[in-house]
Amino acid sequence: AIRMTQSPSSFSASTGDRVTITCRASQGISSYLAWYQQKPGKAPKLLIYAASTLQSGVPSRFSGSGSGTDFTLTISCLQSEDFATYYCQQYYSYTYTFGQGTKLEIK
Amino acid sequence: EVQLVQSGAEVKKPGESLKISCKGSGYSFTSYWIGWVRQMPGKGLEWMGIIYPGDSDTRYSPSFQGQVTISADKSISTAYLQWSSLKASDTAMYYCARRLDTAMVLDYWGQGTLVTVSS
Repeated sequence: AIRMTQSPSSFSASTGDRVTITCRASQGISSYLAWYQQKPGKAPKLLIYAASTLQSGVPSRFSGSGSGTDFTLTISCLQSEDFATYYCQQYYSYTYTFGQGTKLEIK
Repeated sequence: EVQLVQSGAEVKKPGESLKISCKGSGYSFTSYWIGWVRQMPGKGLEWMGIIYPGDSDTRYSPSFQGQVTISADKSISTAYLQWSSLKASDTAMYYCARRLDTAMVLDYWGQGTLVTVSS
């Protein structure tokens, strides 16, 4: 099974910061990578798919890049509503595994 | 407006059976796959399986094959997740979500159903 490893597992940042979260696949997955945002007590929300395609309605401060095994989610200018947990998900293999999550907290 | 509305929280004892539901509206229910995702307390997301309500084609993650059953009743636009014999380790939040038409990712999510299994 393909394993997805995110880093860091958690970190603190301030509003206005530019932040990057990394997701690494245990084997190549081409661009079959999505990113979700989850806030406490809420369902996840799709942000990006195909590694870099922004889902409709998602602010342009979110962007994704990468292919093969290494991927990044970047938030260009953190807003207060962006403090949440972020998950990557591969859909190259039918196990459709998620990363363990990256919790972004307010500094 | 696309909506997925899940059934309410459940408290069950080990060994009991359970079926939770996910009702879709605002789109053609038979034309989009519906997936189920588990989130154990304080943990991450786990893909359980997915069903195409149009013909009930169902795919399971190997970790959940044989542990749960996914089904759908297209006549009432509802997907189901069921257990025949619950275990304490089934305690979790369960989400249903619609698959995006162009990729195996989940674009619209239900609000989640909390299942608690305790003696």
